Amino acid sequence: AQSVTQPDIHITVSEGASLELRCNYSYGATPYLFWYVQSPGQGLQLLLKYFSGDTLVQGIKGFEAEFKRSQSSFNLRKPSVHWSDAAEYFCAVGPSGGYNKLIFGAGTRLAVHP
Amino acid sequence: NAGVMQNPRHLVRRRGQEARLRCSPMKGHSHVYWYRQLPEEGLKFMVYLQKENIIDESGMPKERFSAEFPKEGPSILRIQQVVRGDSAAYFCASSAGQIQETQYFGPGTRLLVL
Repeated sequence: AQSVTQPDIHITVSEGASLELRCNYSYGATPYLFWYVQSPGQGLQLLLKYFSGDTLVQGIKGFEAEFKRSQSSFNLRKPSVHWSDAAEYFCAVGPSGGYNKLIFGAGTRLAVHP
Repeated sequence: NAGVMQNPRHLVRRRGQEARLRCSPMKGHSHVYWYRQLPEEGLKFMVYLQKENIIDESGMPKERFSAEFPKEGPSILRIQQVVRGDSAAYFCASSAGQIQETQYFGPGTRLLVL
C-alpha cells in the first residue's frame, strides 16, 4: 500500500541553524513527491515538487529537497532557518489511481527559537 | 488571479444538522479534490471530481457525505446529520489536469460540531 512516513512529529531548532525534515515513502512506481507548508489556521502552500529529472529540487523560501530512490526518501532541507519558518510541514506522494490523488504524511511541526 | 476559494471559513453545527461546504477552484481548473484533516493529523483524501462527474469517492464515508461539482458554480461537499466526529478542517484543492499538475489548496473550512 502507498504510504508516507514523517518520523519526526515535532522539531525545534534555533534561528539561523540548519534544518532537515525527513520523509520516507512506500510507492509501487516512480513517485511524484511534494512538500507543503501549513501555517496555523491556514491552507497548504506548495514548497517544492519532484516529478522527474534532477533529484535535487529547489523550492521557495530557500528550501530544497533531495529524492533518493534507494532510500525511498525525500528529505527537506534549509541551510539557515528563519523565525517565520515555524509551521507544520507535510510530505506527500502521488499520483494514485491514475490521477493526482495525494497521500500525505502526518506532518512535522517546526518550532524556531530566537 | 484568485486562488482556490472556500467558504465558509468556519462553520458551527449542532449534531443532526447539515453542513454544506463550498469550493471555487482556480480559474481554468476543472479538477477538484477534497481532503479532510482531523486534529493533529495529516490530510486524508476524500473525493476527486471533474466537472459534473465524480471520479473517485473512495475516501468518503459511504453514508451522510456527498459531493458534487456542477457545470456552473462551485464544488459542494455536503454532510448530512453531522456528528461530533465530523469536526475537522476540510480542504479543497484544484488542478488544471489529471497528472503531473500541481494541486493548489484553499484555506479550508473548519467545521465544529457541538
